[in-house]
Amino acid sequence: DTGVSQNPRHKITKRGQNVTFRCDPISEHNRLYWYRQTLGQGPEFLTYFQNEAQLEKSRLLSDRFSAERPKGSFSTLEIQRTEQGDSAMYLCASSSRQGPNTEAFFGQGTRLTVV
Amino acid sequence: DAKTTQPNSMESNEEEPVHLPCNHSTISGTDYIHWYRQLPSQGPEYVIHGLTSNVNNRMASLAIAEDRKSSTLILHRATLRDAAVYYCILRMAPGTGNQFYFGTGTSLTVIP
Repeated sequence: DTGVSQNPRHKITKRGQNVTFRCDPISEHNRLYWYRQTLGQGPEFLTYFQNEAQLEKSRLLSDRFSAERPKGSFSTLEIQRTEQGDSAMYLCASSSRQGPNTEAFFGQGTRLTVV
Repeated sequence: DAKTTQPNSMESNEEEPVHLPCNHSTISGTDYIHWYRQLPSQGPEYVIHGLTSNVNNRMASLAIAEDRKSSTLILHRATLRDAAVYYCILRMAPGTGNQFYFGTGTSLTVIP
């Protein structure tokens, strides 16, 4: 499968614990996006990487959230001191070019449940 | 962020065409119109995109109004597998943001 891969698919954690999600984009896609989606809503933008550089961050990305893409390939999204409001689907997408005439390819997402 | 307006839900009978409308009255000249769909428990899936001219691909057709203030996604023969939430998104010119702004989309129900 050469699509965007996200792991784990599901994560249940206790409030206050730290969690980390991984995203492997399509090979040679140098642009990578993280989104969050809560029930009944469309995905909301969190952050964007071009290669290893984090170029954009949403105000939704509080200081408990950090994302990295150390070698411009896979990316990780860490949430520290999780709260129940962090329960959501976390989606990763990648694209090969910049600009509005470009489609993005999304992974299956990681569903986080904070109990 | 440029805004789109879609009906919350629509129904279609199986094997009939479906026309999903989207209004984007504030679109600028360089904004592309993208459509994605999301099946239950899956990530969004690219469907089609265009700028001014109508577009066709193996999944769907995109009809863009002459003034570009609205567009319609056309599924030529709806199948049960087309039941999903369909998002109409404007992608802005470079320099004004790289992200996709999703709204709440149109939930399409296909009736057997």
